Amino acid sequence: SQQGEEDPQALSIQEGENATMNCSYKTSINNLQWYRQNSGRGLVHLILIRSNEREKHSGRLRVTLDTSKKSSSLLITASRAADTASYFCATGNNQGGKLIFGQGTELSVKP
Amino acid sequence: SAVISQKPSRDICQRGTSLTIQCQVDSQVTMMFWYRQQPGQSLTLIATANQGSEATYESGFVIDKFPISRPNLTFSTLTVSNLSPEDSSIYLCSVGGQGYQKLFFGSGTQLSVL
Repeated sequence: SQQGEEDPQALSIQEGENATMNCSYKTSINNLQWYRQNSGRGLVHLILIRSNEREKHSGRLRVTLDTSKKSSSLLITASRAADTASYFCATGNNQGGKLIFGQGTELSVKP
Repeated sequence: SAVISQKPSRDICQRGTSLTIQCQVDSQVTMMFWYRQQPGQSLTLIATANQGSEATYESGFVIDKFPISRPNLTFSTLTVSNLSPEDSSIYLCSVGGQGYQKLFFGSGTQLSVL
């Protein structure tokens, strides 16, 4: 069953603005990851945050994790039209690579 | 990182037929994962394919409907059998990176069943 819930389901912003997506999960995790999917094709791994970490940065991406609230957020700063895609969170609990994906946020960045 | 070649990229099939999807990885991997993504939905794990043993299926997925082969450490196939319009989805194969934490994905197979 799906464990992650993401909000918003869809987000439309102007180029240069920041985009924030949220993810909640239900069970204990070892790590939480964010993936990007362009036009229904293969997913690309963006960033992984471990359960003992609270914040992580990678370029224009900032991820936070609050295990007490079982939630995470992905912030994309200074968004670009090329950031238009669907973004999924996924949780792992060390079951040999098995991940459970959230419902996804569809981000549209208008030039 | 791993490079995964998945084919076909898309297909249109008739009801009652079967489609076999192939995934080739550029390195040897122990486990490969097959996911389904129904229209507008998230990814659902179908099964985990280990080389030399039977695939492990998730709840709601059965071998008769989704037979999987894993003849070696770089290749796997997923067959979607006895197709119905409800099988119209994107099917994705993936492999684990170091420590099997993050996943690398193939480009997906978009299946439409008429």
